[in-house]
Amino acid sequence: EVQLLESGGGLVQPGGSLRLSCTASGFSFSNSAMTWVRQGPGKGLEWVSSINVGDDGPYYADSVKGRFTISRDNSKKTLFLQMNSLRADDTAVYYCATKYSSSSPWFFDLWGRGTLVTVSP
Amino acid sequence: EIVLTQSPATLSLSPGERVTLSCRTSQSVSSFLAWYQQKPGQVPRLLIYDASNRATGIPARFSGSGSGTDFTLTISSLEPEDFAVYYCQHRSKWPLTFGGGTKVQI
Repeated sequence: EVQLLESGGGLVQPGGSLRLSCTASGFSFSNSAMTWVRQGPGKGLEWVSSINVGDDGPYYADSVKGRFTISRDNSKKTLFLQMNSLRADDTAVYYCATKYSSSSPWFFDLWGRGTLVTVSP
Repeated sequence: EIVLTQSPATLSLSPGERVTLSCRTSQSVSSFLAWYQQKPGQVPRLLIYDASNRATGIPARFSGSGSGTDFTLTISSLEPEDFAVYYCQHRSKWPLTFGGGTKVQI
């Protein structure tokens, strides 16, 4: 089955850290550019970070630059998001996403179910 | 950063009606624009990519048009399952950005 499965979310205090994972199955992960998108409670979609298969990037939203790090382990078919210095406005469902079939690079037709990150004292 | 402005914020419609949603970008994105649908409790679903190409499995009642800074998503005849929030997104340059969304409600 083609799918993305996120994990690692939870409750963390302001200033704390979390590491999210996204495990891929059913497609060629090593040949796929990957992206994290988040959605705050009752809010819209916000692009967070993307990593390509080659040497360009990675890329970050200004709101997370210097605090978040995206990485990948192709041998484990897993995407990561290391989140440091977390703030209340980082509270969101974090989705990993990719182009799987009909699409163009950096449009996303395969999404995980998301993992909830809550930053609160 | 390219800002995407969607209008209106909310649309109240009935099944069978024709819907036109707008997405305007703060600078040209050529045709590098996509539309997504998101229903409550569900993940976003890609509808249209590169302005006018339907994604796999998307019904023909969904169509996209536009280029440059002005884009439109049209639903020719609303089905009950189409009531949702719709987002546009560009891939013209970094950072990628999404519009704020248009809610289509009954």
